[in-house]
Amino acid sequence: AQSVTQPDIHITVSEGASLELRCNYSYGATPYLFWYVQSPGQGLQLLLKYFSGDTLVQGIKGFEAEFKRSQSSFNLRKPSVHWSDAAEYFCAVRPGNEKLTFGTGTRLTIIP
Amino acid sequence: NAGVTQTPKFQVLKTGQSMTLQCAQDMNHEYMSWYRQDPGMGLRLIHYSVGAGITDQGEVPNGYNVSRSTTEDFPLRLLSAAPSQTSVYFCASSYSKSGRTLYEQYFGPGTRLTVT
Repeated sequence: AQSVTQPDIHITVSEGASLELRCNYSYGATPYLFWYVQSPGQGLQLLLKYFSGDTLVQGIKGFEAEFKRSQSSFNLRKPSVHWSDAAEYFCAVRPGNEKLTFGTGTRLTIIP
Repeated sequence: NAGVTQTPKFQVLKTGQSMTLQCAQDMNHEYMSWYRQDPGMGLRLIHYSVGAGITDQGEVPNGYNVSRSTTEDFPLRLLSAAPSQTSVYFCASSYSKSGRTLYEQYFGPGTRLTVT
C-alpha cells in the first residue's frame, strides 16, 4: 500500500544544533513532496515543496530538504535550530493527481 | 487576502447534536478539502471538492456531509455527533486546473471540536 512514513515521533535538539527530520514514501513514481510545520494551536504552514528539477530545495525559515529517489526519501534539514522552531512537522506526498497524504508527524522540542 | 478562514475556533457538542463547520477562502481556489487531525495519525482527508457543485469522499467520510454551492465556501456538516468525532478539523484550499489539484494546499487555523 502507498504510504508516507515519518519514523521519528519526537525529536529533542539543543538550540544551535543541526536538525534532520526523516520522511520516506512508498509510491511507484516520483510524487510531489511537501513539508509543513504546525505551531501549537495553529494551522499548517508550508515550509517547502519539490515537484521536479534540483533535488535540494530551499524553503522558508532557513529549512531545506533533499529528495533522494534511490532511497524514496525527502528529509528536512536545518543547520542551526532556533527555539522558535519548536513545532510539529509533517511530510506530505501527492502522487500525480491523487490525494495529498500526510505522514504522522514529528514533534520537535528545542532545549536551551 | 484573508486566506482560508474557519469558524468556530472551538466547539463542544453533546452526542447526537448536529452542527456545521464553516470554511471560506478568498483566493479563488477551485480545490477545497476538509481534514481531521488526531494524535499520532497525522491529517486524514474527510471530503474534498474540485469546484462548485462537485464533491467527493476522502479517506474518512462517514458521519460528515459537505456541499459546495460557491467557489468560496465549503461547509462541513456533522449530522449526529459522536465522541469519535472529537478532533481538530482543518479546511484547506489549492489551485486547480482542469480538475487536477496542483501545487501546495493552504490551510485554515482549524476548529477544535469536542463531543461529550
